[in-house]
Amino acid sequence: NAGVTQTPKFQVLKTGQSMTLQCAQDMNHEYMSWYRQDPGMGLRLIHYSVGAGITDQGEVPNGYNVSRSTTEDFPLRLLSAAPSQTSVYFCASRPGGSIHTEAFFGQGTRLTVV
Amino acid sequence: AQKVTQAQTEISVVEKEDVTLDCVYETRDTTYYLFWYKQPPSGELVFLIRRNSFDEQNEISGRYSWNFQKSTSSFNFTITASQVVDSAVYFCALSENSGNTPLVFGKGTRLSVIA
Repeated sequence: NAGVTQTPKFQVLKTGQSMTLQCAQDMNHEYMSWYRQDPGMGLRLIHYSVGAGITDQGEVPNGYNVSRSTTEDFPLRLLSAAPSQTSVYFCASRPGGSIHTEAFFGQGTRLTVV
Repeated sequence: AQKVTQAQTEISVVEKEDVTLDCVYETRDTTYYLFWYKQPPSGELVFLIRRNSFDEQNEISGRYSWNFQKSTSSFNFTITASQVVDSAVYFCALSENSGNTPLVFGKGTRLSVIA
């Protein structure tokens, strides 16, 4: 049982480049989220989805796009990378609905924008 | 709006000391869920505990214990007889029952246990 899988684990981008961080879960969870972790800032919510075809903005959405075409996948797109987007990115999933279990996290993607 | 405050940014203790990590939350919901996660130096997020707002019983798991007090909106975490392997960043998080919002996290407390 793979759980939540994020790829890549590490990435270096040049300013202005675009890329997609991949996230896939095999637990049939409705809810998926993207967080970024910066020193002293904890985990801040970027975007989230409560089901296929439904997405919403979190606390820090600027510069990022998401889509949810399937239950399993929730990719995060950086449109034009900036040094301020250097961070560790975590994808998470939860069953959703009335089931309030913990969130299951991927291993994280460490992104550096130069 | 929901909010989680972990006022302690960093704590350093000597091995075998007890240490308490504070967590204060804000929510308008009467039904909500509280969580603690551990992030060791390797970087992954490890789930420790989930507690719903109707269950105010304290919980003990080995050297870990949690004190939930609705009157003060706190959900504190105590490690008894700390060990070097407890060195990590610890996050408290909140999920409201209403709406479809994901977990909201505090900024974390970095615990260093010195041998």
